[in-house]
Amino acid sequence: KNEVEQSPQNLTAQEGEFITINCSYSVGISALHWLQQHPGGGIVSLFMLSSGKKKHGRLIATINIQEKHSSLHITASHPRDSAVYICAVLANFGNEKLTFGTGTRLTIIP
Amino acid sequence: DVKVTQSSRYLVKRTGEKVFLECVQDMDHENMFWYRQDPGLGLRLIYFSYDVKMKEKGDIPEGYSVSREKKERFSLILESASTNQTSMYLCASSPPGQGVKQYFGPGTRLTVT
Repeated sequence: KNEVEQSPQNLTAQEGEFITINCSYSVGISALHWLQQHPGGGIVSLFMLSSGKKKHGRLIATINIQEKHSSLHITASHPRDSAVYICAVLANFGNEKLTFGTGTRLTIIP
Repeated sequence: DVKVTQSSRYLVKRTGEKVFLECVQDMDHENMFWYRQDPGLGLRLIYFSYDVKMKEKGDIPEGYSVSREKKERFSLILESASTNQTSMYLCASSPPGQGVKQYFGPGTRLTVT
């Protein structure tokens, strides 16, 4: 079993829909990252959080440390949001290595 | 803006060749990382370096080596490329400390034939 599990693996939605991507992890963590990867490969860090909730524009990330679960929400989705979204955790062992989920491929149809 | 660059976007090499992948960052970051990304497996850490001439093995170091002679440059070396090393290779850098953002390069898609 992977230490970081994402669901769904693939998600197709209509423009304007509210999107939720989930991430569950099995280890104690000091931080969780949400990353975005567009076709072509480049990865951009969207959020880093260790508790509560963060918001940036139409993107919202939440984390529940007790339940070892995080969600990434996109409001009023747009075709330019189409990308792979990756969850990564930093285990609290005292090193700086991330463990990654396998990603959720999101496609927004106009 | 942090910039992480990789020497090639696409590379095709033959089995047995020695392959060098270069990564350069311009933000004076201490930490640098090499990952490979394969469908269904996500990103996996090959090696990382937390200072010049310092390196640590990641989760899948077999068949790879690294070099960090200068702070801004981290090289990944495939001593004798094999077809199972066909993959997307991503470099990243970060300042020291737990829970800091990593900045990724654009990736190199390597095909070994």
